[in-house]
Amino acid sequence: GQQVMQIPQYQHVQEGEDFTTYCNSSTTLSNIQWYKQRPGGHPVFLIQLVKSGEVKKQKRLTFQFGEAKKNSSLHITATQTTDVGTYFCAGWGGGADGLTFGKGTHLIIQP
Amino acid sequence: DAGITQSPRHKVTETGTPVTLRCHQTENHRYMYWYRQDPGHGLRLIHYSYGVKDTDKGEVSDGYSVSRSKTEDFLLTLESATSSQTSVYFCATGLSGTGYEQYFGPGTRLTVT
Repeated sequence: GQQVMQIPQYQHVQEGEDFTTYCNSSTTLSNIQWYKQRPGGHPVFLIQLVKSGEVKKQKRLTFQFGEAKKNSSLHITATQTTDVGTYFCAGWGGGADGLTFGKGTHLIIQP
Repeated sequence: DAGITQSPRHKVTETGTPVTLRCHQTENHRYMYWYRQDPGHGLRLIHYSYGVKDTDKGEVSDGYSVSRSKTEDFLLTLESATSSQTSVYFCATGLSGTGYEQYFGPGTRLTVT
């Protein structure tokens, strides 16, 4: 079945540094979504990418969808303590199956 | 979030006992999902529903059953709980199809001793 790999598993950064997490699918995706989960909380939808090569921005967050629609990235510029949490990508292959979630990247910020 | 509540929020039960978790939504979303989250595994889909009385299996459905008798309620039942079912269970809802934006509930932490 479809697999979605996400790296790195953990990322420690100093506050103010940039952060990037990468997501790779074993198959071509119809769309990819990103979610954020704060410690002790629940996943919260951030964004959905649909088009090949698509780039979307939300303030300091930049999301990209690869040209082949098999990979994606989330980049945070100048991290803040409020960015702490786990970032998940979730890919949809377009069929009857639902989303396949990556295992997430845990972002730890040192002040 | 989309007005999703889960009950109970925490539960400790013994191996072999039945357990039912409830998810309630007030957004009239058609799709509802049950996931489990375990360290090192991320979120894995157990079952989902695409309408009242319409359900289907997910990736890790063995040992679980679901029911949806009303749009707003989606029940997850562990017929005979095992220690391997110790996990955090999240309910989610969606307005569109299974590949679109999902809204998650606060989660239920289940411990099977």
